[in-house]
Amino acid sequence: QSVLTQPPSVSAAPGQKVTISCSGSRSNIANNYVSWYQQLPGTAPKLLIYENNKRPSGIPDRFSGSKSGTSATLGITGLQTGDEADYYCGTWDSGLTATYVFGTGTKVTVL
Amino acid sequence: QVQLQESGPGLVKPSETLSLTCTVSAGSVSSAGFYWSWIRQPPGKGLEWIGYIYTSASTNYNPSLKSRVTISVDTSKNQFSLKLNSVTAADTAVYYCATGHVAVDAFDIWGQGTTVTVSS
Repeated sequence: QSVLTQPPSVSAAPGQKVTISCSGSRSNIANNYVSWYQQLPGTAPKLLIYENNKRPSGIPDRFSGSKSGTSATLGITGLQTGDEADYYCGTWDSGLTATYVFGTGTKVTVL
Repeated sequence: QVQLQESGPGLVKPSETLSLTCTVSAGSVSSAGFYWSWIRQPPGKGLEWIGYIYTSASTNYNPSLKSRVTISVDTSKNQFSLKLNSVTAADTAVYYCATGHVAVDAFDIWGQGTTVTVSS
């Protein structure tokens, strides 16, 4: 149902890097800011990245965001066991009415 | 730092109305520029934006839920509320209230979430 597509899962060893893609369209990613959210097991989502590549206060610079055309990417370097979580991209879709849409979600596993 | 707390019944019967309230603390629901929003997450599934109320009067709803949703503000209690009518089992989910300023264009403050089960 989501208009933003993410890989279901990615994994890497501690200390390594992972990237998560978020694929959308001209009506959403291409013309709006992208945000990224981290959801640790059993908790509410937490904002990691806003306006494509900005980090809220307290978010380490191991987390980075970028956007190109109709796709966005979240990068996590120096992977830690505490990074094991679900990650969602989000943005506005400027279709008939402005609707906020989330990606399908990606489970990050630290091997 | 603004904090949000959801409250409401954890069990709703099919065809009835789901009603939840989000209490705002360390901030004001009347503050300009904030999207006061509801987002839900069915068990084992992803996030779904329900809608928001902005500047205490302007609302915007997910088209897929628009016919059943009302979001309103009670400035005297510093709360905003969600009503979803004619619920079915498909509305069973964790419901989050969240907010963010237009300058951030994202949801940077979330409540802890409340589980609502639709069942007879």
